[in-house]
Amino acid sequence: KQEVTQIPAALSVPEGENLVLNCSFTDSAIYNLQWFRQDPGKGLTSLLLIQSSQREQTSGRLNASLDKSSGRSTLYIAASQPGDSATYLCAVFNTGGFKTIFGAGTRLFVKA
Amino acid sequence: GAVVSQHPSRVICKSGTSVKIECRSLDFQATTMFWYRQFPKQSLMLMATSNEGSKATYEQGVEKDKFLINHASLTLSTLTVTSAHPEDSSFYICSAVQGRDTQYFGPGTRLTVL
Repeated sequence: KQEVTQIPAALSVPEGENLVLNCSFTDSAIYNLQWFRQDPGKGLTSLLLIQSSQREQTSGRLNASLDKSSGRSTLYIAASQPGDSATYLCAVFNTGGFKTIFGAGTRLFVKA
Repeated sequence: GAVVSQHPSRVICKSGTSVKIECRSLDFQATTMFWYRQFPKQSLMLMATSNEGSKATYEQGVEKDKFLINHASLTLSTLTVTSAHPEDSSFYICSAVQGRDTQYFGPGTRLTVL
């Protein structure tokens, strides 16, 4: 059974700091891994999608890596801004069972 | 990119009534759609897998008679919460699979049962 863990559960940093969010998963049989942002009371915003054959994806100040063999992914946020404050969710789309499992999320607060 | 819509975005209903939530893939056909629910300050939990033309597959602990899913066409899946109770109040999100493995998520529906 796939389990997705995100560390840390919460993070508070000063503006401008670079930071890394971690996601680990137990079953490497995945189609892809996706990072989302969720603002309070809102839906999901897809940030980056990494296919199982890829190692990383970049979009602006965001960079996500995937190491399928070790079951790990990281989301790197450069030069953090107060507007980055949100919950970040990691989700893996399993080949076995054809379903997506979400992590519990990391709540990020960037102080001005 | 592909777009998935949900309707309504927000609904408030009285206890005991039924509520239908629609999930549509606007510019692609989706043989598979998923339904998730999210309780406050928790992550998304998969409720069921909806396959066009066949019965939905429910996750363990999800009552299929309470959460009725109908995938009537390749662009529409509906979730009906029957005889809703306050504990059913939650955020419901759908996703649609394009091609083999690319999912697009809807914006979600916030259900409040009084």
